Amino acid sequence: QVQLQESGPGLVKPSETLSLTCTVSGGSISGYYWSWIRQPPGKGLEWIGYIYYSGSTNYSPSLKSRVTISVDTSKNQFSLKLSSVTAADTAVYYCARYYCTTTTCFHLDYWGQGTLVTVSS
Amino acid sequence: QTVVTQEPSFSVSPGGTVTLTCGLSSGSVSISYYPSWYQQTPGQAPRTLIYNTNTRSSGVPDRFSGSILGNKAALTITGAQADDESDYYCVLYMGSGIWVFGGGTKLTVL
Repeated sequence: QVQLQESGPGLVKPSETLSLTCTVSGGSISGYYWSWIRQPPGKGLEWIGYIYYSGSTNYSPSLKSRVTISVDTSKNQFSLKLSSVTAADTAVYYCARYYCTTTTCFHLDYWGQGTLVTVSS
Repeated sequence: QTVVTQEPSFSVSPGGTVTLTCGLSSGSVSISYYPSWYQQTPGQAPRTLIYNTNTRSSGVPDRFSGSILGNKAALTITGAQADDESDYYCVLYMGSGIWVFGGGTKLTVL
């Protein structure tokens, strides 16, 4: 059974960079697309972006200028960096795996439990 | 920027049928958007109910079904149960590797 676990600081200061890592266990990171999603307290889900195990990425246009997603296949991990954070970036951050065929990705079939990151001085 | 629209809230009686919809601020939803639907209960990660418009995810009861109704994607719950009370999110593939979540619908069963 594939399991994902987010890790990283729970508190980040305004203007600094938020950094999170997702560790994948019970399966290989290779061959799959991986994604980050966030959810501000009491609000809806927001897609941040994805990375293919080979390193290709795509990001939400609204966050693209501040987001970097990277992968480390040797550690079975992928990571999120979000720069110049403000209080509006306070959210539960989820990592997840895409279910894809050879041509199309359809949905996020495995999720981490989520980790709350608060932006505050 | 195109916004994915959902009803903010909906209520259904136990045993009743409810249809939640997922639209676009501009344009129509079709199967080419590969609509998927997620259910989320408080404090939990979302789980997939429906993907690729109408394919039920593994273990999802057949009282959940997906379709295209008019110019929107739709999630229909037939025979609603108390534990269906959750938040429901649709996601659309906008092309060019971009997915967008709808704002979510809070479903009350009473």
